[in-house]
Amino acid sequence: EPEVTQTPSHQVTQMGQEVILRCVPISNHLYFYWYRQILGQKVEFLVSFYNNEISEKSEIFDDQFSVERPDGSNFTLKIRSTKLEDSAMYFCASRPPGQVANYGYTFGSGTRLTVV
Amino acid sequence: AQKVTQAQTEISVVEKEDVTLDCVYETRDTTYYLFWYKQPPSGELVFLIRRNSFDEQNEISGRYSWNFQKSTSSFNFTITASQVVDSAVYFCALSEVNNNDMRFGAGTRLTVKP
Repeated sequence: EPEVTQTPSHQVTQMGQEVILRCVPISNHLYFYWYRQILGQKVEFLVSFYNNEISEKSEIFDDQFSVERPDGSNFTLKIRSTKLEDSAMYFCASRPPGQVANYGYTFGSGTRLTVV
Repeated sequence: AQKVTQAQTEISVVEKEDVTLDCVYETRDTTYYLFWYKQPPSGELVFLIRRNSFDEQNEISGRYSWNFQKSTSSFNFTITASQVVDSAVYFCALSEVNNNDMRFGAGTRLTVKP
């Protein structure tokens, strides 16, 4: 079964450093998402991406965050200057075109970001 | 905007007991989709079920069953004869047809004791 692949599985970075989290969505999917889950808390929507642009973003997704699909296969989330409160599990998800009811979302296994 | 409420923060049961996880949602759309995900201790999100707003038929899959009631805006999840391996955090989620995202409830941590 096709998978959404996220790398790395765990990243430790120093406060103030830039990080890039990488995702390889399923190849025929056209909608891409990033979600965040602070330890022990709910899964929060960050951003959705379609047709090479952001289609929706939450209030969490401020100027420190950016997303990109640099080469047609990878989908990246960049945090420019990490803060301690950015420590969380970051999930990438994708889905094909069409109704969500028919296809749903496929999530990656997550990247655990630890900011020290 | 859509909203999902899982009022039960934590539930603890003894193996073989039945347990129901509650989910109440709010939406202004007439077309929407409801989901349940399981998050085991390993951290990944495991898809369990997807249901659209026009399909109120209850579903059973093995020991799992789902009760969708539009009249009360609820989409509850029951595990019959629970097992230790069912211990996880369970999330209910909602996606509106006019929004290109899915919003999660706060999750219910289920602990099944042997």
